[in-house]
Amino acid sequence: DVKVTQSSRYLVKRTGEKVFLECVQDMDHENMFWYRQDPGLGLRLIYFSYDVKMKEKGDIPEGYSVSREKKERFSLILESASTNQTSMYLCASSPPGGGGSEQYFGPGTRLTVT
Amino acid sequence: AQSVTQPDIHITVSEGASLELRCNYSYGATPYLFWYVQSPGQGLQLLLKYFSGDTLVQGIKGFEAEFKRSQSSFNLRKPSVHWSDAAEYFCAVGARGSQGNLIFGKGTKLSVKP
Repeated sequence: DVKVTQSSRYLVKRTGEKVFLECVQDMDHENMFWYRQDPGLGLRLIYFSYDVKMKEKGDIPEGYSVSREKKERFSLILESASTNQTSMYLCASSPPGGGGSEQYFGPGTRLTVT
Repeated sequence: AQSVTQPDIHITVSEGASLELRCNYSYGATPYLFWYVQSPGQGLQLLLKYFSGDTLVQGIKGFEAEFKRSQSSFNLRKPSVHWSDAAEYFCAVGARGSQGNLIFGKGTKLSVKP
């Protein structure tokens, strides 16, 4: 059974803090993704990675960075958290296969920045 | 560029009634198409996917979807809704030959009346 885990379900941080969101998958998937989910806006891709140390910007990368030092782990970093980054963050992974591969999602981290 | 439209933001149906959730996509060729479900506080789970071949696709939990190329649609159906189907539903499209990222619609929230 594919499992994608995220380090926290709920997180509260202060404006200006550096925030790390961690995601780990146990299926040896090449691809990993970070999305944010906001009411009425659906899922928006922040960054994705198709290999260790590789990363690609998604639709809304501003204010975020990522790190993928190991295949199973993909971290999302908010360098200086702001209130407009309060959101639900979802991590996903998928095997290679182009646009036809199913993405497996973690349970999400609900981040509140105060 | 690819895009996905889910015209209905919120739908309410009675338990036992039939359900159809609409999804329209924009893509130059035949895309990969997915339906995901998100229960409250959870990540997304794949219901079904279309790659090629038979245009009627069966999924989990009694759901099915039909690909109609002429209408650029991939509507999700269920003949008899159960209270446990209350959730948010996302349609997604993947491009053949891409790195693997999907484009998601904004979602349709389903409420079920007893």
